[in-house]
Amino acid sequence: QKEVEQNSGPLSVPEGAIASLNCTYSDRVSQSFFWYRQYSGKSPELIMSIYSNGDKEDGRFTAQLNKASQYVSLLIRDSQPSDSATYLCAVTSDTNSGYALNFGKGTSLLVTP
Amino acid sequence: SQTIHQWPATLVQPVGSPLSLECTVEGTSNPNLYWYRQAAGRGLQLLFYSVGIGQISSEVPQNLSASRPQDRQFILSSKKLLLSDSGFYLCAWSVRLAGGEQYFGPGTRLTVT
Repeated sequence: QKEVEQNSGPLSVPEGAIASLNCTYSDRVSQSFFWYRQYSGKSPELIMSIYSNGDKEDGRFTAQLNKASQYVSLLIRDSQPSDSATYLCAVTSDTNSGYALNFGKGTSLLVTP
Repeated sequence: SQTIHQWPATLVQPVGSPLSLECTVEGTSNPNLYWYRQAAGRGLQLLFYSVGIGQISSEVPQNLSASRPQDRQFILSSKKLLLSDSGFYLCAWSVRLAGGEQYFGPGTRLTVT
């Protein structure tokens, strides 16, 4: 059973702070890693993808991948109230049927003004 | 640019009634197509994926079926809905054979009464 684990939260951070979201996965051959943002009642929106160990930065977002520890994280700098949403970690590999994504259940983030 | 459409946006159906949800993608050719379901309090679950016209693979046993009559059209169906079929149905596409990013449509919220 391939599992993707996330703390459900809610994670509460003040506006302007750094939000740190974490994800672990069980399938050691996983190759591709994604972070999606999902606002309540809406569909998931891709915000970051990462394929190799290390950090990847895009604006206020930084994804970090450590394949040896089977760990991927998302940092959100200068958090804004509009960042309040559920963040989904997703993982895939070529052993997944059709490269389908395995999702965690998501971490709820609340950014307070 | 690529666009993915789903309809209807919301649907309320009685138990035992049929179902047809449609997904179409614009701006790309030969995509991988996926149907996911997100039930209340649960993560996204892969239902079906397709790598080409007429090619459908099912991930979980259920009373749902899928078809891909055209390259950029994916349909989810049921002959008789169950209460447990309620949920948020999401269609997604990705570049074929890439294991890369998946992009979601706006979703259909189905309530079976």
